[in-house]
Amino acid sequence: GAVVSQHPSRVICKSGTSVKIECRSLDFQATTMFWYRQFPKKSLMLMATSNEGSKATYEQGVEKDKFLINHASLTLSTLTVTSAHPEDSSFYICSACPVDRPYGYTFGSGTRLTVV
Amino acid sequence: AQTVTQSQPEMSVQEAETVTLSCTYDTSESDYYLFWYKQPPSRQMILVIRQEAYKQQNATENRFSVNFQKAAKSFSLKISDSQLGDAAMYFCAYTRGLKAAGNKLTFGGGTRVLVKP
Repeated sequence: GAVVSQHPSRVICKSGTSVKIECRSLDFQATTMFWYRQFPKKSLMLMATSNEGSKATYEQGVEKDKFLINHASLTLSTLTVTSAHPEDSSFYICSACPVDRPYGYTFGSGTRLTVV
Repeated sequence: AQTVTQSQPEMSVQEAETVTLSCTYDTSESDYYLFWYKQPPSRQMILVIRQEAYKQQNATENRFSVNFQKAAKSFSLKISDSQLGDAAMYFCAYTRGLKAAGNKLTFGGGTRVLVKP
């Protein structure tokens, strides 16, 4: 079955630094990947849609300059949290659909980001 | 904009019993897909069941089944013979039925299911 690998699973960074989260589709190609943020005991909030070879589409209210998304290949999308602050601490999840199965959403295992 | 509403923040069920989770959605589209996802304590999102709006037959997956009422825009999930491993957050989700991989999922607020031994 389709597998999405997300790394790191946990990261602690100092306030003001940047951290990169990777999302890889291991056995399929994905022209589109999705990035979500999830607060404790809350639902998934879509942050942006990552499109291979083009700019990401951000949801309303999401700061493009803070959450940089790059989708350089059909199997890799990265989310970089720039100048992180404690309020950026959260659980981040990526998702991807195989090109040949547009409704086969597969999720990564998530990244718990803690900014200290 | 499409919205998905789960009105039950938490549901409790006795092991081996049945529990039904509610989900309603709002859309002007006629072609769309609906999903139920399970998120256990590991926080890995797991697909439970998927329903295509154009199909009148309700989807089933082993102990999981849905009651899809298109006119009422309702999509409930029934878990039969509940097991301890069913304890998790359950999210209802919607996406438009355009044949493109770029369709985003819209999630409901989630329902926490507790299973009592």
